[in-house]
Amino acid sequence: ELVLTQSPGTLSLSPGERATLSCRASQSVSSSDLAWYQKKPGQAPRLLIYDVSRRATGIPDRFSGSGSGTDFTLTISRLEPEDFAVFYCQHYGSSPLTFGGGTKVEVK
Amino acid sequence: QVHLVQSGAVVTKPGASVKVSCKAAGNTIANHGFTWVRHAPGQGLEWMGWVSGYDGHTNYAQDVQDRITMTTDTSTSTAFMELRTLRSDDTAMYYCATTSPYSPRNPSDFWGQGTMVIVSS
Repeated sequence: ELVLTQSPGTLSLSPGERATLSCRASQSVSSSDLAWYQKKPGQAPRLLIYDVSRRATGIPDRFSGSGSGTDFTLTISRLEPEDFAVFYCQHYGSSPLTFGGGTKVEVK
Repeated sequence: QVHLVQSGAVVTKPGASVKVSCKAAGNTIANHGFTWVRHAPGQGLEWMGWVSGYDGHTNYAQDVQDRITMTTDTSTSTAFMELRTLRSDDTAMYYCATTSPYSPRNPSDFWGQGTMVIVSS
């Protein structure tokens, strides 16, 4: 089973700042099969990024994904008030699909 | 665009079973696969498995594979997830989401609103 480790656990930032979230895999992720989701309390997860760097439909371009092999990054260029949430990476290249433990982006 | 509507919250006892439904409005179920993910209080997201709306094939997480069954009903455009021999640590919000009908190895794009399952004696 591929294990994903996200860091930091919590990121305290102000609106307008840049957020950089890390996701490290225990083994190389095949075929760029990595996604990022946003999760807010009381809401379902929302797909932000798939295939490492492709934005899902309707996702603003302030969200971007990058990386390869075992190290991946989600960047939010300028935080908007609605962006504060928990973010999860997920690999889907092989079964079982797994999620990272999440990074909470909170208001400083 | 697919709109998924899940069944309502359930409170049940240890050892019981629960069956959660996920109705797809506005699209034929055969065009989709359905992933089930749960979110326990204070925990992260957990992938539970996948069922194809195209041919009924399934793929389950090892942790629950002995207790879980995922099915679809094309006549009602509904996917189902049944979890048996419930324990207190099965208490969670359960989500269905659409993905590829051909393989579980894809991201999940459209999500249901979630179904809260509480297991308590």
